[in-house]
Amino acid sequence: DVVMIQSPDSLAVSLGERATINCKSSQSLLSSSNNRNYLAWYQQKPGQPPKLLIYWASTRESGVPDRFSGSGSGTDFTLTISSLQAEDVAVYFCQQYYSTPQTFGQGTKVEVK
Amino acid sequence: ELQLAESGGGLVQPGGSLRLSCAGSGLSFSGYWMSWVRQVPGKGLEWVANINQDGSDKYYVDSVRGRFIISRDNAKNSLYLQMNSLRSEDTAVYYCAREVSGRLGWFDPWGQGALVSVSS
Repeated sequence: DVVMIQSPDSLAVSLGERATINCKSSQSLLSSSNNRNYLAWYQQKPGQPPKLLIYWASTRESGVPDRFSGSGSGTDFTLTISSLQAEDVAVYFCQQYYSTPQTFGQGTKVEVK
Repeated sequence: ELQLAESGGGLVQPGGSLRLSCAGSGLSFSGYWMSWVRQVPGKGLEWVANINQDGSDKYYVDSVRGRFIISRDNAKNSLYLQMNSLRSEDTAVYYCAREVSGRLGWFDPWGQGALVSVSS
């Protein structure tokens, strides 16, 4: 199974400041056939199901604010919130869909400092 | 817009069985792979199983293979998870989700989840 490790486990950021979450996979998620990285990012608020933010490592889902961006390739990926808003307080998960079983990172809790 | 709603969760004794249902509304989900994903409250996410559009192809995580059965009824826009020989470690919130982009894809949307508690 592909192991996904996120860092840090939690971070506190001031409103308006940048938040950066890292995700590392135990094997490359880059497909040589289509040059795409098989990685998605989700946001989960308390009592709610996860919400899709980004897929193909950097494609923002429709309706997701442009302060959310994804980057990286191969085994190292980053989710960046360029200017943290109060409504962004949540747990964020990465997920690989390169191989079965699809696996998730352990989650990163983002709070306001 | 597809919306999903799970039902059938509850408290069950170890070794018991439970059947979860997921009803889809809005756009039909018959054209998509569908998945079950679970989450121990306050913990991470674990993909459990998925099924192709006509129900002929199914995959399971090792920990549930042989105990859980995923199925679907496209005429009823419904997805199911039959859970047998339940263990305490199966305690979790179970979400159904559409798997975008085929057998291996991202999940969107998700249902609100159904809590399954396995305890004596």
